[in-house]
Amino acid sequence: QSALTQPASVSGSPGQSITISCTGTSSDIGNYNYVSWYQQHPGKAPKLMIYDVSKRPSGVSNRFSGSKSGNTASLTISGLQAEDEADYYCTSYTTISTWVFGGGTKLTLL
Amino acid sequence: EVQLVESGGGLVQPGGSLRLSCAASGFTFSDHHMDWVRQAPGKGLEWVGRSRNKGNSYTTEYAASVKGRFTISRDDSKNSLYLHMNSLKSEDTAVYFCAKAGWWSGNKYYYAMDVWGQGTTVTVSS
Repeated sequence: QSALTQPASVSGSPGQSITISCTGTSSDIGNYNYVSWYQQHPGKAPKLMIYDVSKRPSGVSNRFSGSKSGNTASLTISGLQAEDEADYYCTSYTTISTWVFGGGTKLTLL
Repeated sequence: EVQLVESGGGLVQPGGSLRLSCAASGFTFSDHHMDWVRQAPGKGLEWVGRSRNKGNSYTTEYAASVKGRFTISRDDSKNSLYLHMNSLKSEDTAVYFCAKAGWWSGNKYYYAMDVWGQGTTVTVSS
């Protein structure tokens, strides 16, 4: 099972919006709505930001939103804030009962 | 407070073995699936495997990269998850995280890694 494809880096200015894509196949993203997104700051454990494609856990800012079209999922962060600078990972369930992560995207605030 | 604490990491020679532990607290451990996820130095997250809950007969799944070498077990009486690693290779060098792999809301189980430990470091080197 190959890793999902994410851009290596994205950047944006405070207050702007950015979108991170996560491209898989019909064997993972395209076949299930079990897509979740994680935020990881350096040296820290990942934090769940989005689950089931577009749902936010309690306590996660509504500036974070998720969507999916075909084999590609997306994470959008609106109103960028300094604390959003981090690495972001998508993950999906697969048809062989495993989970696969994306390669990760480094978000830099300008 | 829901918490996961990993232990057992260290330096091991190629071909060697190691057992990692994950102590859970603050939730009913037997009700939940549990995952191991690793992160090589400077690299991204890699799913290692899953131990399903008691209701799913504790079945396990593994990533292709570790299948046949790693085994996940759990002891619900001790609220603990384990990762038994054999035939270790240099490419297994990573921080290993355990994660609670979902939660119940009514009769529905939501699949996402909602609680993570702080990780334990495994270094495979001669």
